[in-house]
Amino acid sequence: NAGVMQNPRHLVRRRGQEARLRCSPMKGHSHVYWYRQLPEEGLKFMVYLQKENIIDESGMPKERFSAEFPKEGPSILRIQQVVRGDSAAYFCASSPFTPRQGALGYTFGSGTRLTVV
Amino acid sequence: EDQVTQSPEALRLQEGESSSLNCSYTVSGLRGLFWYRQDPGKGPEFLFTLYSAGEEKEKERLKATLTKKESFLHITAPKPEDSATYLCAVQAKVGGNYGQNFVFGPGTRLSVLP
Repeated sequence: NAGVMQNPRHLVRRRGQEARLRCSPMKGHSHVYWYRQLPEEGLKFMVYLQKENIIDESGMPKERFSAEFPKEGPSILRIQQVVRGDSAAYFCASSPFTPRQGALGYTFGSGTRLTVV
Repeated sequence: EDQVTQSPEALRLQEGESSSLNCSYTVSGLRGLFWYRQDPGKGPEFLFTLYSAGEEKEKERLKATLTKKESFLHITAPKPEDSATYLCAVQAKVGGNYGQNFVFGPGTRLSVLP
């Protein structure tokens, strides 16, 4: 049973380009969460998705960032017109339960390290 | 606003030297407190969930405890392979946006020297 798979592991983009980060949740998990980790800072929640639905995007910047979790395929975090401040590690986590169903530690992927040059 | 702080920021121990990491939290009704371990270049790895004050959980050399305002991660006779960043997170009782209800601390970087 594979864990949460994220790709690419490392991504380098020039300022103004687009970055697409992919996350395949664990088998049987239909809840996906994206977090951003800046150097020397804790994980910051960005967005919570279920299949074909964005449940909570309160942590997403209002502009340039979007996320989706289609019926088929991985969840995608998309950053348009990247800037240097977007350089960070982006982690995806998945869970078989909703937050209301239980306080359970969910499973994280290994992350995508985005570097904007 | 829900907040999580961790101390110390970094900790160096000799192999076999026991110590504790602290996680202090302010939350509007605790649903669960989580401890994770994160190795460099990897995602956080789940360790424990604690639900109520007085609860304790153990796993090998690690023991997590919970009070109404803080949690401790006790490390007994650590080994070099215990070196990692230890993250604490809290989930508040659900109400409002989920994102406001799951908050991570900045972590404690633990180094265990042989």
